[in-house]
Amino acid sequence: GAGVSQSPSNKVTEKGKDVELRCDPISGHTALYWYRQSLGQGLEFLIYFQGNSAPDKSGLPSDRFSAERTGGSVSTLTIQRTQQEDSAVYLCASSSSLGNTDTQYFGPGTRLTVL
Amino acid sequence: RKEVEQDPGPFNVPEGATVAFNCTYSNSASQSFFWYRQDCRKEPKLLMSVYSSGNEDGRFTAQLNRASQYISLLIRDSKLSDSATYLCVVNLNNDMRFGAGTRLTVKP
Repeated sequence: GAGVSQSPSNKVTEKGKDVELRCDPISGHTALYWYRQSLGQGLEFLIYFQGNSAPDKSGLPSDRFSAERTGGSVSTLTIQRTQQEDSAVYLCASSSSLGNTDTQYFGPGTRLTVL
Repeated sequence: RKEVEQDPGPFNVPEGATVAFNCTYSNSASQSFFWYRQDCRKEPKLLMSVYSSGNEDGRFTAQLNRASQYISLLIRDSKLSDSATYLCVVNLNNDMRFGAGTRLTVKP
């Protein structure tokens, strides 16, 4: 079946603009995660959703970052007033539940470049 | 101290070699552990989960030592296609923490 999809695949924006990144998880997956990966770095956890609720928002780096998930499916990550340090690959992953051993399946990522 | 630490490498090994990666984690309450593989400019993909009893999948063997808070990955008879970055992942209450990765290059 279809895997996790993300759009856009690449986004170039000017400093100060808002951007919206989209994640479409695997159908039926209730848990959804957002990460970001700066060049040559490991993954930084941002937020996860169980259904439409986000029990843990502590990973969001600043109040310019927000995320929502409606209908228990698609999620959007919004970055307001983008800064150059926001440049990274933003990865979304989904899993079938919040079980600790469940496999996370990653999307291809959105490469964000803030000029 | 970082929550998950890995030797960044790079490890450059010839085909057929055996190579081992180590990972340490700081939170003793961590509940589950994984190794992910990430190819250049690609998303991470699960390589294997890591169980306390140790587990093997073909040429790959993973070990967990909870007392020492240490995870390892052993790759035997390495192939050119094993060249990638290997990410150690530690899960605590569904908060997944990734190591920065260990880069492996297998050469002919």
